[in-house]
Amino acid sequence: KAGVTQTPRYLIKTRGQQVTLSCSPISGHRSVSWYQQTPGQGLQFLFEYFSETQRNKGNFPGRFSGRQFSNSRSEMNVSTLELGDSALYLCASSWTGGRAPDTQYFGPGTRLTVL
Amino acid sequence: KNQVEQSPQSLIILEGKNCTLQCNYTVSPFSNLRWYKQDTGRGPVSLTIMTFSENTKSNGRYTATLDADTKQSSLHITASQLSDSASYICVVTAAGGSYIPTFGRGTSLIVHP
Repeated sequence: KAGVTQTPRYLIKTRGQQVTLSCSPISGHRSVSWYQQTPGQGLQFLFEYFSETQRNKGNFPGRFSGRQFSNSRSEMNVSTLELGDSALYLCASSWTGGRAPDTQYFGPGTRLTVL
Repeated sequence: KNQVEQSPQSLIILEGKNCTLQCNYTVSPFSNLRWYKQDTGRGPVSLTIMTFSENTKSNGRYTATLDADTKQSSLHITASQLSDSASYICVVTAAGGSYIPTFGRGTSLIVHP
């Protein structure tokens, strides 16, 4: 069974631009969560989508947004990029999401560099 | 404020030796605690998941323990292998409406031959 895929794997943008990252979950998984990982802050939770609805949101500014499609694929958008947005963005999928003791499967991540 | 503290920050051991990583948390109310292994340049891989009622969970050479009273967890690695070299991350998810996970900063483990 195919794992979680993320595209693109690497991305370079300049300040002020916007970016869209994509995540395809494992087939059948309805929950997709997004995370930001930086050397300074470690892993931080961005948001979780379940059946096309945002179910939880972390403490990030409104420049970070996402959506989930009917096939459970999810996109994350960051507008007006700042240097501090440079990070590894990870998505994870599961059957039910973090509220249940349900294994989350992570993708390889998208490495975003903001110049 | 919900926090997860891991210790030690880094650890170097010889192949074949055992080691124990610690995780203390202040997350409340508690839903579940997870341990992940993250190799450099890769996404985390789930090792164990424990709920409030569980105090031990094993996955091969990895054994996690949970003391919900003291809000402490440990991950014990038995007979370490070179492939165990990675970052080990403890994640505690809060319950009660918004199931937000709080991540520890991880323990970097290096296994030398």
